[in-house]
Amino acid sequence: AQSVSQHNHHVILSEAASLELGCNYSYGGTVNLFWYVQYPGQHLQLLLKYFSGDPLVKGIKGFEAEFIKSKFSFNLRKPSVQWSDTAEYFCAVTPVYSSASKIIFGSGTRLSIRP
Amino acid sequence: DTAVSQTPKYLVTQMGNDKSIKCEQNLGHDTMYWYKQDSKKFLKIMFSYNNKELIINETVPNRFSPKSPDKAHLNLHINSLELGDSAVYFCASSQGSRGHFFGPGTRLTVL
Repeated sequence: AQSVSQHNHHVILSEAASLELGCNYSYGGTVNLFWYVQYPGQHLQLLLKYFSGDPLVKGIKGFEAEFIKSKFSFNLRKPSVQWSDTAEYFCAVTPVYSSASKIIFGSGTRLSIRP
Repeated sequence: DTAVSQTPKYLVTQMGNDKSIKCEQNLGHDTMYWYKQDSKKFLKIMFSYNNKELIINETVPNRFSPKSPDKAHLNLHINSLELGDSAVYFCASSQGSRGHFFGPGTRLTVL
């Protein structure tokens, strides 16, 4: 069965620390990969996405993610976090050739930034 | 312009009541979804419609009935509300496999 794993449930960092949030998926075929962010009390917003090409993708607000096909991973990184990055982060996968356009979300990682 | 809109934003109601949540997207997408987000932030897909046809129907009680009058609208009607239905409900839309656009959410509280 297709699944997305985010092993870190809650990450606590100080401002200016570097961030890496793990994401692994299980699916044998071609996928599109996404990171979504949900700020407190708000809806999910797309942070970045990977469809093809350069496996290092850059998103908004200084975030980037690297797709490593051999590891089925799509980890999210940011060199220096800010207090405003406090949010819930969701990794998601869409099988490219699925007719159902189904997106599979991970369970989310809560990021708390200490000022 | 709002891409995916939902009404109402907040809904507080008594157990046993029937309520509806409306969703509209102006992106021209073919597929629309309803997700439920529980208190632990876990996102669970409930339904998906493609061009007004139901294509995903996860294990959701039949008290929940989606209706898509056209491909820009997907409404969710809930009968006989229960305490466990309290959650945030998100509507979303997509075109192919290129990612979802989410609505602002409807926070449903059942008393």
